[in-house]
Amino acid sequence: EDQVTQSPEALRLQEGESSSLNCSYTVSGLRGLFWYRQDPGKGPEFLFTLYSAGEEKEKERLKATLTKKESFLHITAPKPEDSATYLCAVSTDKLIFGTGTRLQVFP
Amino acid sequence: DAGVTQSPTHLIKTRGQQVTLRCSPKSGHDTVSWYQQALGQGPQFIFQYYEEEERQRGNFPDRFSGHQFPNYSSELNVNALLLGDSALYLCASSSYPPRTDGNTIYFGEGSWLTVV
Repeated sequence: EDQVTQSPEALRLQEGESSSLNCSYTVSGLRGLFWYRQDPGKGPEFLFTLYSAGEEKEKERLKATLTKKESFLHITAPKPEDSATYLCAVSTDKLIFGTGTRLQVFP
Repeated sequence: DAGVTQSPTHLIKTRGQQVTLRCSPKSGHDTVSWYQQALGQGPQFIFQYYEEEERQRGNFPDRFSGHQFPNYSSELNVNALLLGDSALYLCASSSYPPRTDGNTIYFGEGSWLTVV
């Protein structure tokens, strides 16, 4: 069965304290791995799509990497405005989401 | 360039009633998917529409039905509402078929449904 697991469930960071979020997956016929940011009460906001092992993408303080079994979202020197839930999803012929990591960054 | 638009943003219904939610995809996209997101959970796939036909369906009962119009907009209908149907309903738009060279999937802001 296709499955996506994200860890940790919640993460509290001091402003400037870098860390990584993990997304592990088991899926057949992977067409891509997506990262989204979701603020409370809002729809998911697209961040990155990764398609093959070894691929990396960056956007401001965020960097996403992909291996054959997992993806990492690295957050460098986070700021309070980075506080949100980060969702990982794998694409077969539909998106299969993990439950997300709730990130809180304190000043 | 308008993104994915959904309506209504919030609504309250009574158990047993029926609800219709609406979605207009991003310009240039022809495929609409619907997801249900319960509080504290990731979105769960309901179904996908392309060329006015349901192409795929997730593990949801027949009370959940949909429609796609010639202009690619879509509706999600839920009959005989249950308390457990309370959730954020998200519409996602993309191009069909899924490609591996940049087929980004965009979401709307969602429709909050509360069943009392």
